[in-house]
Amino acid sequence: QKEVEQNSGPLSVPEGAIASLNCTYSDRGSQSFFWYRQYSGKSPELIMFIYSNGDKEDGRFTAQLNKASQYVSLLIRDSQPSDSATYLCAVPSGNTPLVFGKGTRLSVIA
Amino acid sequence: GAVVSQHPSRVICKSGTSVKIECRSLDFQATTMFWYRQFPKQSLMLMATSNEGSKATYEQGVEKDKFLINHASLTLSTLTVTSAHPEDSSFYICSATPDGEQFFGPGTRLTVL
Repeated sequence: QKEVEQNSGPLSVPEGAIASLNCTYSDRGSQSFFWYRQYSGKSPELIMFIYSNGDKEDGRFTAQLNKASQYVSLLIRDSQPSDSATYLCAVPSGNTPLVFGKGTRLSVIA
Repeated sequence: GAVVSQHPSRVICKSGTSVKIECRSLDFQATTMFWYRQFPKQSLMLMATSNEGSKATYEQGVEKDKFLINHASLTLSTLTVTSAHPEDSSFYICSATPDGEQFFGPGTRLTVL
């Protein structure tokens, strides 16, 4: 069973700051990695996915992948109060869809 | 992106009753759908994989006789929680992957009294 680990938080950052969310995974063979955002009482929505080592940028979001260290992170620049949510890291597992981490709760303080 | 709907969004029932949750893919056909459960402050846990025209595949620890899954068409999967108990109270979410990306339904909040 693949494992995905995240710090549960809460992570509090002031508005306008960079929020850094981290995730480690157990299966060295994992090839793709997903970041989902989940607001309280809502289902997850995909923010970004990354396959290659290095950085992938999309607007205020940057995903960073280091396969050697089995580490994937999500940076949120210019954090806004509306970014306050739980961020879930997910990794596909064989024929099953996704294995999710427990999520990191982010709080952006105005 | 693709749209997945769920009905109902919220249900409250008495202990011992059965509850049916529907999951529909609105603008694509899905031969496979997935059912997740999420308890408060916990992550999503895969319960089962629903396969159109065949039996569902259940994850370890999930009782197939308690959580009945029927995938009768390419756009509809149903999850029936039979003889529900308070410990079944949870957020149930379905998902489908029309092209590799996983799209989630809005979820169903089940409360068993």
